[in-house]
Amino acid sequence: DGGITQSPKYLFRKEGQNVTLSCEQNLNHDAMYWYRQDPGQGLRLIYYSQIVNDFQKGDIAEGYSVSREKKESFPLTVTSAQKNPTAFYLCASKFRSSGNTIYFGEGSWLTVV
Amino acid sequence: KNEVEQSPQNLTAQEGEFITINCSYSVGISALHWLQQHPGGGIVSLFMLSSGKKKHGRLIATINIQEKHSSLHITASHPRDSAVYICAVSQGGSEKLVFGKGTKLTVNP
Repeated sequence: DGGITQSPKYLFRKEGQNVTLSCEQNLNHDAMYWYRQDPGQGLRLIYYSQIVNDFQKGDIAEGYSVSREKKESFPLTVTSAQKNPTAFYLCASKFRSSGNTIYFGEGSWLTVV
Repeated sequence: KNEVEQSPQNLTAQEGEFITINCSYSVGISALHWLQQHPGGGIVSLFMLSSGKKKHGRLIATINIQEKHSSLHITASHPRDSAVYICAVSQGGSEKLVFGKGTKLTVNP
């Protein structure tokens, strides 16, 4: 079955550590996205990529980094520079152009302890 | 003011009731998306529409481009419809979506 796989589902991190969240899709989608969700807030865009080896900052990119070395993979690294990293992270993908449905992964819960 | 506003923020209904969730936006859009977020966090796309009306099972979505307003209706609601419903818009020429804060729906048996 085609879809988006995020891992891990739950992750605990000590302050000062970097962590990487995995996002893999087998939908042959061109565009991939990382969103952050906080309680009572709408999803906010961290980074997005429309093509391999290219990505753009979203609205809240500070303290995060990404790579897009393969079409199907878009990992997100939460660095120690992110001041408030505890949140729910969602990966999404779609075909390019605005008229296509967006697909989401199941999300990853990150807690800093 | 958020670019995408949803109402109500929370909604409780009895099984069988007709549900309406509203979404207003203040920007020009190329498409509007209705999404459903399960209690575990995963999100499913319900509808994507740029005009008129779409129906899937007990769900109906409408959009009025002139009034910049969309509604999601659920007929004969069921406890399994309990979820957070999110409205999002994609702006012409942009790959980015702008999301509303969501409407939490609880349907009691």
